[in-house]
Amino acid sequence: GDSVTQMEGPVTLSEEAFLTINCTYTATGYPSLFWYVQYPGEGLQLLLKATKADDKGSNKGFEATYRKETTSFHLEKGSVQVSDSAVYFCALSPNTGGFKTIFGAGTRLFVKA
Amino acid sequence: DVKVTQSSRYLVKRTGEKVFLECVQDMDHENMFWYRQDPGLGLRLIYFSYDVKMKEKGDIPEGYSVSREKKERFSLILESASTNQTSMYLCASSDQRTLGAPPLHFGNGTRLTVT
Repeated sequence: GDSVTQMEGPVTLSEEAFLTINCTYTATGYPSLFWYVQYPGEGLQLLLKATKADDKGSNKGFEATYRKETTSFHLEKGSVQVSDSAVYFCALSPNTGGFKTIFGAGTRLFVKA
Repeated sequence: DVKVTQSSRYLVKRTGEKVFLECVQDMDHENMFWYRQDPGLGLRLIYFSYDVKMKEKGDIPEGYSVSREKKERFSLILESASTNQTSMYLCASSDQRTLGAPPLHFGNGTRLTVT
């Protein structure tokens, strides 16, 4: 079945460091891909999305490119801030029909001042 | 501002109790979801509703039921709570009719402990 694999955390970075959180997926067909962020004590928020191969989603300085050839959707940010400390979830929605968005296990990011 | 509100932030219940988790959205969304979130497992879908009185089972519906009598309210019911249902429960909504559309707006979660 479809699945999403994220790098294990926690990831600890200093402020202004470059961030990469790896995400790979397994799916039949051509799913849509998403990154969600969960700040402490809150629910998830949709951060960015890409619906077809080579699309780049971007928001708040974060970006991710849909790579069909490597089945990946890695999240990147050029310069992280303390306020980016959160848990990040990669997810896919199959475009074959249905409603079951599949989430990765989540990666916790700590950013130190 | 868009809002999904879960009635309780923390709940402690005893094994065997019937538990109700309530969720209300103020955006007139058709789709509503209940997930449970466990460390290392991400989010797993319990139930989905795409209209009043309509529901679909998710990946882990066993031990749970749902009710959607009004468009804005989606309730999760644990018929007889067990310790393995101790978890964070997240409600979400979406207005997208596209097949495979993801949940867009989440509540802040209810942390349920069953003792």
